[in-house]
Amino acid sequence: GESVGLHLPTLSVQEGDNSIINCAYSNSASDYFIWYKQESGKGPQFIIDIRSNMDKRQGQRVTVLLNKTVKHLSLQIAATQPGDSAVYFCAENRSGGYNKLIFGAGTRLAVHP
Amino acid sequence: SQTIHQWPATLVQPVGSPLSLECTVEGTSNPNLYWYRQAAGRGLQLLFYSVGIGQISSEVPQNLSASRPQDRQFILSSKKLLLSDSGFYLCAWSVQQGKSAQYFGPGTRLTVL
Repeated sequence: GESVGLHLPTLSVQEGDNSIINCAYSNSASDYFIWYKQESGKGPQFIIDIRSNMDKRQGQRVTVLLNKTVKHLSLQIAATQPGDSAVYFCAENRSGGYNKLIFGAGTRLAVHP
Repeated sequence: SQTIHQWPATLVQPVGSPLSLECTVEGTSNPNLYWYRQAAGRGLQLLFYSVGIGQISSEVPQNLSASRPQDRQFILSSKKLLLSDSGFYLCAWSVQQGKSAQYFGPGTRLTVL
């Protein structure tokens, strides 16, 4: 069935390096995507979103890229810091009357000094 | 600014006991409200959503129920807890119009023994 998923369950990076977290989606009708960060024992925190009329959107140290041709989403984190260690979820909006999100399984980012 | 509260933060309950988790939102009116459950190391499963007072939709059949007695209050309940009800329960809100991010509360860790 249709789903939102992640290529890598765990990503280990060195402090200061750039991180790239990937996500694949299968519903070509989806037109709104969100990245969340979840630290241990806390609720997910909104990072950045992108609509399908855009290919790229930048925030503070983060960039989201959307490739609609291959239905792929990525989150880039520049100069990764220990505080970036968390689980990252992508979410896909398939609104059919209300604002329903479909979440991927998550990728754990581990930042090493 | 908007804030979302959940309580209690942690709860340990015996099998067969009742449950009531509360969620309140401040700083916005007429939000969509959501209850999710997250098993350890897993993604988010949508349980219920509400687009208004007294309006509840269930996403999956289960031992739980939800109610929305006030515009910014969302309650998750059970008459008799099962072991399988253990998990991390998250409440979220979003604006009602259009596609937008959902914003999560701090969560309630429920352990059923």
